[in-house]
Amino acid sequence: KQEVTQIPAALSVPEGENLVLNCSFTDSAIYNLQWFRQDPGKGLTSLLLIQSSQREQTSGRLNASLDKSSGRSTLYIAASQPGDSATYLCAVLTQGGSEKLVFGKGTKLTVNP
Amino acid sequence: NAGVTQTPKFRVLKTGQSMTLLCAQDMNHEYMYWYRQDPGMGLRLIHYSVGEGTTAKGEVPDGYNVSRLKKQNFLLGLESAAPSQTSVYFCASSYADFGTVLGRTSGANVLTFGAGSRLTVL
Repeated sequence: KQEVTQIPAALSVPEGENLVLNCSFTDSAIYNLQWFRQDPGKGLTSLLLIQSSQREQTSGRLNASLDKSSGRSTLYIAASQPGDSATYLCAVLTQGGSEKLVFGKGTKLTVNP
Repeated sequence: NAGVTQTPKFRVLKTGQSMTLLCAQDMNHEYMYWYRQDPGMGLRLIHYSVGEGTTAKGEVPDGYNVSRLKKQNFLLGLESAAPSQTSVYFCASSYADFGTVLGRTSGANVLTFGAGSRLTVL
């Protein structure tokens, strides 16, 4: 059974700092890994999707990496801003016939002005 | 383009009452999902559907039923609500493109989420 872990559960940083969020998964037989953002009281917004054959994806100040063999992904946020404050979730799509996402519990990020 | 729309957004039920949550998507997606999100538990998959007329159980299906009579709609039903079903429910949909090319298996399955439905069972 696929298990996804995100550490830390919460992170508080000053504005302008570069930061890394971590995601690990137990079953490396995945199709892809996605990073989502969730604002309080809102749904999830997909930020980046990395295919199993890819090593990283970039979108603006965000860079996500994937090391499938070690079961790890990181989300790098450059020059953080207060507007980046949200909960960030990673999810993996595991092979094996059921093709459904398994989510981590998220990292709550607070960027202080 | 509305994306994924969930109704209702809020609902309060008494134990034993029944209700249906409606999810509608206008993106012609094949896959649809119902998740519940609880503090400290993250997102857990209740049921999902890989196409019109199909449904399958997720991680926490007990106490829920679903139907996918039309491709654009995915209904989540609670026949006899319990306080343990107090949660925020999210619907999501995606296209699906899985395959193996040159020995590499890959999938494109970007999910689009609805805004959520907050359900309280007293």
